Formats: sequence, structure tokens, C-alpha cells
Amino acid sequence: AQSVTQLDSQVPVFEEAPVELRCNYSSSVSVYLFWYVQYPNQGLQLLLKYLSGSTLVKGINGFEAEFNKSQTSFHLRKPSVHISDTAEYFCAVTTSNYGGSQGNLIFGKGTKLSVKP
Amino acid sequence: DSGVTQTPKHLITATGQRVTLRCSPRSGDLSVYWYQQSLDQGLQFLIQYYNGEERAKGNILERFSAQQFPDLHSELNLSSLELGDSALYFCASRPGQDNSPLHFGNGTRLTVT
Repeated sequence: AQSVTQLDSQVPVFEEAPVELRCNYSSSVSVYLFWYVQYPNQGLQLLLKYLSGSTLVKGINGFEAEFNKSQTSFHLRKPSVHISDTAEYFCAVTTSNYGGSQGNLIFGKGTKLSVKP
Repeated sequence: DSGVTQTPKHLITATGQRVTLRCSPRSGDLSVYWYQQSLDQGLQFLIQYYNGEERAKGNILERFSAQQFPDLHSELNLSSLELGDSALYFCASRPGQDNSPLHFGNGTRLTVT
């Protein structure tokens, strides 16, 4: 079975500072990885995804993430955050095992990013 | 706007009651997923439908059931409600059963009193 661990439940950071939100996964098969963002009172919005190819993926709003297979990690980074980035961020994994999970996303428990002026 | 519509936005009901949550997927999407988001459990996958057929079950209670209709909209039925069922329920859709990203609705917030 797959699982996702987001090591930090809350990350406070000052505006224009860099940020890294950590995500580790466990799976015995190949995985596809996603980061979603949830603004207050809204649904989840896709930030970026890793399906194959380059391990460094770029997403919306200046975010990027790097897939590291040996460390089973998919950390999210942004070089300079804005107040508007304040939200909850979820890392998610699914597998290529169509016979089983049918592509269901397994989510981490989320990291609340709080950007202060 | 993700294109996924969920109604109602808020629902307040009493213990023991039954409610139905509705989801209209993005135009053309055949797969619908239901998730429950609570403070203690986080985002939990409940159930998936593809073109009217149930395809996968997650942590869904026996008191809960769902279906997908020929027009592809889906309903999640929650019965014999308990206080612990209070949560945000999300519907998500994607075109098929591949690993393309899921598109989420804004959720239905259920409060059981």
C-alpha cells in the first residue's frame, strides 16, 4: 500500500523568503506524484505533477518540485513567497497499478503555509 | 473554476438522519471520486465510479453509499449520521482511469448536531 508523509504540519515564513514543503512517500511500485493547494473554503487545485521524465517539475504560481526516487521524496519549493501563497498544501501519490487502485490519490495530511509580512 | 460542481455547499442535520450530496463532474469526465476531509483523518478516499460502475472503494463506511447516473453525475448518500461524520466531502473527476490530475469541486460541508 502507498502512503504519504508530510513532515511539517505548519510552516510559517516571511514574505519574499524561500520555502520548502517536505513530502515523502512509500510505495512498492512506480508512482505518480502531485501537489495540490487548498485555499480557505475552496476545493483542491493542482499545483504540479510528476508523471515521468525530468525529475524537476514546474507548476503554477512559481512553485516547483523535485522527484527523488532514491530518497522517496517530492519536496515542494518556491524561491520567494507572497502573502497570497498562504494556504494548505497537500502532497499526493498514485500508482500505475490499474488493476488495483485505479489511480486513486492517497494524500498526505497537509502542510499549512503561513506567509507573514 | 475546476468545472466540478457540488451541491449543497453546506448541510446541517441531526444525528440519525440521512443526507444526499450531489456532484456534477467536468464535462466529458467519466471518472468520479469522493473524498472525505476531516481534521483528524485528513483527506480520505471513499469511493470511485467510472462511467456508471463502481471501480474502487476506500475507507467508506457501510452506512455510506454512492452511485453514478447515466448523465455521469454522482450522489453520495450518508445515513444514520453520527457526530463524527461531520466533515468536508469533496468530489473530483478526471476523463478516464489514467493518472491525469483530479479536478476537485469546492466541497460540501456537513455538520451533524
